[in-house]
Amino acid sequence: NAGVTQTPKFQVLKTGQSMTLQCAQDMNHEYMSWYRQDPGMGLRLIHYSVGAGITDQGEVPNGYNVSRSTTEDFPLRLLSAAPSQTSVYFCASSYRYRGAGNTIYFGEGSWLTVV
Amino acid sequence: GENVEQHPSTLSVQEGDSAVIKCTYSDSASNYFPWYKQELGKGPQLIIDIRSNVGEKKDQRIAVTLNKTAKHFSLHITETQPEDSAVYFCAALDGNNRLAFGKGNQVVVIP
Repeated sequence: NAGVTQTPKFQVLKTGQSMTLQCAQDMNHEYMSWYRQDPGMGLRLIHYSVGAGITDQGEVPNGYNVSRSTTEDFPLRLLSAAPSQTSVYFCASSYRYRGAGNTIYFGEGSWLTVV
Repeated sequence: GENVEQHPSTLSVQEGDSAVIKCTYSDSASNYFPWYKQELGKGPQLIIDIRSNVGEKKDQRIAVTLNKTAKHFSLHITETQPEDSAVYFCAALDGNNRLAFGKGNQVVVIP
């Protein structure tokens, strides 16, 4: 049981390039999400999905796209990378979307630098 | 939406002493309050949580207390050890089922 797996761990991009951060979970979780973590800002929700074929915007969605074609995978796409997108990205999943006591499991993070 | 604040931003304690981190929240409809620990280079990991119908919960050296009237909840770590050094995040599940995180506390345990 690998939990939540993110790739790549580290990436350097040039401004304007596009890339996809991969996220996969093997726990048959309904809910998946992407956060970014910046110094002094905590964790901010980018996009989330409550099930295959369903996605929605979080707190800071601009510049990112997501899709959920399967229960297991939830890739995050940067369309045209900007230096402001330099951050640590965390994918997370939980069994259910709603309800208290719903443990969220985080991946190990992806460190992205845009130059 | 929900606004969660954590205090202090950095906390240094001597090994063996207790550490307390306090969080306040704004949405009175929030009903679930988890705490996450993040070690350097790792993702956050749930360490303890509490629901709004409970005032206190303990798990070995860790406890969480909730004061719904004052809208604050606290993480208590007793007999701190060097491996407790990490960033701790509190969060609140608001009335729209959105989990709002605080900005995190850096806890440093001095051997």
